[in-house]
Amino acid sequence: GAGVSQSPSNKVTEKGKDVELRCDPISGHTALYWYRQRLGQGLEFLIYFQGNSAPDKSGLPSDRFSAERTGESVSTLTIQRTQQEDSAVYLCASSTHMNTEAFFGQGTRLTVV
Amino acid sequence: RKEVEQDPGPFNVPEGATVAFNCTYSNSASQSFFWYRQDCRKEPKLLMSVYSSGNEDGRFTAQLNRASQYISLLIRDSKLSDSATYLCVVNNSGYSTLTFGKGTMLLVSP
Repeated sequence: GAGVSQSPSNKVTEKGKDVELRCDPISGHTALYWYRQRLGQGLEFLIYFQGNSAPDKSGLPSDRFSAERTGESVSTLTIQRTQQEDSAVYLCASSTHMNTEAFFGQGTRLTVV
Repeated sequence: RKEVEQDPGPFNVPEGATVAFNCTYSNSASQSFFWYRQDCRKEPKLLMSVYSSGNEDGRFTAQLNRASQYISLLIRDSKLSDSATYLCVVNNSGYSTLTFGKGTMLLVSP
């Protein structure tokens, strides 16, 4: 497809379980962002990848959160030992490079029960 | 001071009205500016980039004022379909992130 693809679209998990969220960026986009949006709130930056450079992890809220990206392809965001406050929509975006507009996937709605 | 600040609204306007939003940013070295719109329970979508010279796209006009560190969005002849949250986005020099404001909600009524 032409856009950013995220999976799953919805995920319900039990507190304490690990979850893995996936993002397929637009082909050729070197920059990839992960954001979190809690209900009724703004977008919260989590992590940024640019090509093969070291990722900017400054937004990760705790060491339970981690993300990987191989080259300029798929990225996975992993949340270990999920807590109820992790419930949110996790949005992935990609752009051609750092200063250009970013395009978002439809997000993964995570619910921790 | 927050990096990117917006009036949360909501702005309630009738169809056909002209409405304007402002957004202020704190980092004078910011390089790139954008407006996104976000519909309820949907992902943000790019509305327009904001250039130093200002730019217009149909009913939408964006302006950048570097001296006062704000950007604006003007919507003319509002449509019901313009109802959404408008997000101001800034990319800061030396930082890799796109920083989002919390958004301004617009409600256009018949």
